[in-house]
Amino acid sequence: SQQGEEDPQALSIQEGENATMNCSYKTSINNLQWYRQNSGRGLVHLILIRSNEREKHSGRLRVTLDTSKKSSSLLITASRAADTASYFCATVLIQGAQKLVFGQGTRLTINP
Amino acid sequence: NAGVTQTPKFQVLKTGQSMTLQCAQDMNHEYMSWYRQDPGMGLRLIHYSVGAGITDQGEVPNGYNVSRSTTEDFPLRLLSAAPSQTSVYFCASIEPPYGYTFGSGTRLTVV
Repeated sequence: SQQGEEDPQALSIQEGENATMNCSYKTSINNLQWYRQNSGRGLVHLILIRSNEREKHSGRLRVTLDTSKKSSSLLITASRAADTASYFCATVLIQGAQKLVFGQGTRLTINP
Repeated sequence: NAGVTQTPKFQVLKTGQSMTLQCAQDMNHEYMSWYRQDPGMGLRLIHYSVGAGITDQGEVPNGYNVSRSTTEDFPLRLLSAAPSQTSVYFCASIEPPYGYTFGSGTRLTVV
């Protein structure tokens, strides 16, 4: 069974707007990572947040982590057409050899 | 740097055939993994390795074998292909505490 669940499953917004995606997970984690996947391509690592961190920024990306609620959010500000992709959260469990457990992803479409 | 290289990019197999998906990385990472991605799904872990000579099963290991004779290479073998193994396969490597580097994938169809 998959650890993470993304919400929403699909999101369509206008270029320039902000996009927020959420991820919930079930068990304690060591860290949580967000990946982007363009259609037909491999996954690209975006950002990693550790279990003792609450917020992290990278360019137009902002990730939050609430371990008490077992949830994370990814905010993309000032969206661009090139941000159109699927976004996956993945967790690294405390017990495990850096095994990533993925959610099913959010399909983000940015309309020009 | 090439990163993680997967070959082939596409493959069609007949039911019962065997084949090996190749994965190589040039970053000297100890950890490597194989995932499969089915339509509309996230990735599921097949097998992983924490170093040369050490492998272990992931979430969906049945029908697949792996070996890790060198740090660079981590091939995935399909023993007797089945239509249920039609999927896109991704190899990845990691140098903790950073994120994974993924290959571009192998799209496999079993008919």
